[in-house]
Amino acid sequence: KAGVTQTPRYLIKTRGQQVTLSCSPISGHRSVSWYQQTPGQGLQFLFEYFSETQRNKGNFPGRFSGRQFSNSRSEMNVSTLELGDSALYLCASRSTEQFFGPGTRLTVL
Amino acid sequence: QKEVEQNSGPLSVPEGAIASLNCTYSDRGSQSFFWYRQYSGKSPELIMSIYSNGDKEDGRFTAQLNKASQYVSLLIRDSQPSDSATYLCASPNTGNQFYFGTGTSLTVIP
Repeated sequence: KAGVTQTPRYLIKTRGQQVTLSCSPISGHRSVSWYQQTPGQGLQFLFEYFSETQRNKGNFPGRFSGRQFSNSRSEMNVSTLELGDSALYLCASRSTEQFFGPGTRLTVL
Repeated sequence: QKEVEQNSGPLSVPEGAIASLNCTYSDRGSQSFFWYRQYSGKSPELIMSIYSNGDKEDGRFTAQLNKASQYVSLLIRDSQPSDSATYLCASPNTGNQFYFGTGTSLTVIP
């Protein structure tokens, strides 16, 4: 069974731009969660989608948004990028156990 | 109080020793617990799941769960330099949201 995939793997943007990250979950998994990981903050939960509905949400500003499609694929969007948004963005899918994708490393210049 | 808390470490053990990683959780309704290993620059990898009180062994890894004490641990026997990584404890709460500890950095010294 294929694992969680994320695209792109690396991204460089400038302040003020917006970015969209994509995640394809493990086949059969309907839950997709997004996390931000920075060296100083560890894993920070952004949001979780289940069957196209946002089920849980972390404490991030409204610039961070997401959605899930009927095939369970998910996208995350960050608008008006700030330098502090530079991080590894991880997607995870689960049934009972949660599995992570390889992540997208976003650098904001 | 955080949902899941870990000793942040860092923890250093000599090669061949037992590494002991600890985690506590606050939601008594939590039913499942997971340990992830994360190498520097990589994404977390699930290495152990435990659902019942007691011990669960998988190769050199043993997970221990004590629901009465709200405590879960991971023992790594015969530690190898390749075990050097950050280990994350995680559990979904009764609201089904996954919570992660801050991670324990383990270094195995050859």
